[in-house]
Amino acid sequence: DAEITQSPRHKITETGRQVTLACHQTWNHNNMFWYRQDLGHGLRLIHYSYGVQDTNKGEVSDGYSVSRSNTEDLPLTLESAASSQTSVYFCASSVASGGGTDTQYFGPGTRLTVL
Amino acid sequence: AQSVTQLGSHVSVSEGALVLLRCNYSSSVPPYLFWYVQYPNQGLQLLLKYTTGATLVKGINGFEAEFKKSETSFHLTKPSAHMSDAAEYFCAVKVIQGAQKLVFGQGTRLTINP
Repeated sequence: DAEITQSPRHKITETGRQVTLACHQTWNHNNMFWYRQDLGHGLRLIHYSYGVQDTNKGEVSDGYSVSRSNTEDLPLTLESAASSQTSVYFCASSVASGGGTDTQYFGPGTRLTVL
Repeated sequence: AQSVTQLGSHVSVSEGALVLLRCNYSSSVPPYLFWYVQYPNQGLQLLLKYTTGATLVKGINGFEAEFKKSETSFHLTKPSAHMSDAAEYFCAVKVIQGAQKLVFGQGTRLTINP
């Protein structure tokens, strides 16, 4: 069955280290998204991509970067991890229907702790 | 800019009672509206969505929501709560025009009392 996976599921790192979170989907969706979930804030959009070589900043993109070299993967990189980036990170994907009715499908999440 | 407000970060109901989770949105153009559910340690799962047409939308697990343009609301209801409904619920809005981004509310944690 088609799915969306994230790895690792849990990660502990130190301040200043570079960290990459993986997201892989097998639906062949063009659209992919990264969110972070924090108590009291719901989910906030970090970066998103509408296709290969396309990336866009979301509302909380500072300190994060993404690259899209193929349809299936959108890795999220924290260039220099900060304690404020301790959070649960969700990847999502959707088909590019053009009409906006498409559903976003979410991965299981990665819990990142920055010490 | 679009925004979503969920009234009540925590709702508690008895098993068998009515579930009502409130969501109000702000959008200058016709919105698409979504409810997602998140069970502990899991990702988000779509409950239901409103795009166009009938304003009463039925979803999975007996949930439904009604789009009320005049009240800018999209409240989620279920006639009779079940213990398995305990989860966090998120309302989200997507603008039809432009980017395919979702804007989420803060979430409402639903607790079911036996």
